[in-house]
Amino acid sequence: DTAVSQTPKYLVTQMGNDKSIKCEQNLGHDTMYWYKQDSKKFLKIMFSYNNKELIINETVPNRFSPKSPDKAHLNLHINSLELGDSAVYFCASSQVYTGVAGNSYEQYFGPGTRLTVT
Amino acid sequence: AQSVTQLDSHVSVSEGTPVLLRCNYSSSYSPSLFWYVQHPNKGLQLLLKYTSAATLVKGINGFEAEFKKSETSFHLTKPSAHMSDAAEYFCVVSEDIYKLSFGAGTTVTVRA
Repeated sequence: DTAVSQTPKYLVTQMGNDKSIKCEQNLGHDTMYWYKQDSKKFLKIMFSYNNKELIINETVPNRFSPKSPDKAHLNLHINSLELGDSAVYFCASSQVYTGVAGNSYEQYFGPGTRLTVT
Repeated sequence: AQSVTQLDSHVSVSEGTPVLLRCNYSSSYSPSLFWYVQHPNKGLQLLLKYTSAATLVKGINGFEAEFKKSETSFHLTKPSAHMSDAAEYFCVVSEDIYKLSFGAGTTVTVRA
């Protein structure tokens, strides 16, 4: 059973269109993220959410609008797509665990959505 | 502010020989550090993490990393490379759960 799933896996669209990517996690985590990986494989965080609330927006254009209907889902809607939006988008989730050595956390990533804008 | 530098963009090794991937970090606090691996056209998988416990961290698939605060380094090693280790490797620093900063990645190729 997939821990973090994304749909669709591939998305090809034209400039100016609006599209959405869906993400779901079945790990019971409170925190979810969207990352963008460019053609040089560089990964940059876009958004962090905790229990449906936006925590971090890393100066992402407001054409990108994340929505979290519940803590298991974090969807990404993109308006007026541009050529520069072509990338692989990864969703991830995480949870803080408190142990003897202090707090610990790790991120679980989805398989990615390859977006191509023509 | 947190940041991470992976010192090698590409590492090529022969199968059966050691692998060393170098990572230096910068952080204002005591950060958590991670290594992730990404195989072609796949998502990211956690290899190992450091979160202020033992400085020598063992991970999956025979990888380990040593946290050296004095050198602000978190280098990844494996004693004997396998063909299946060919992938992209990312060093990650994080001061809190909400923001992780990734290095630019190191591409590992393994020669038969």
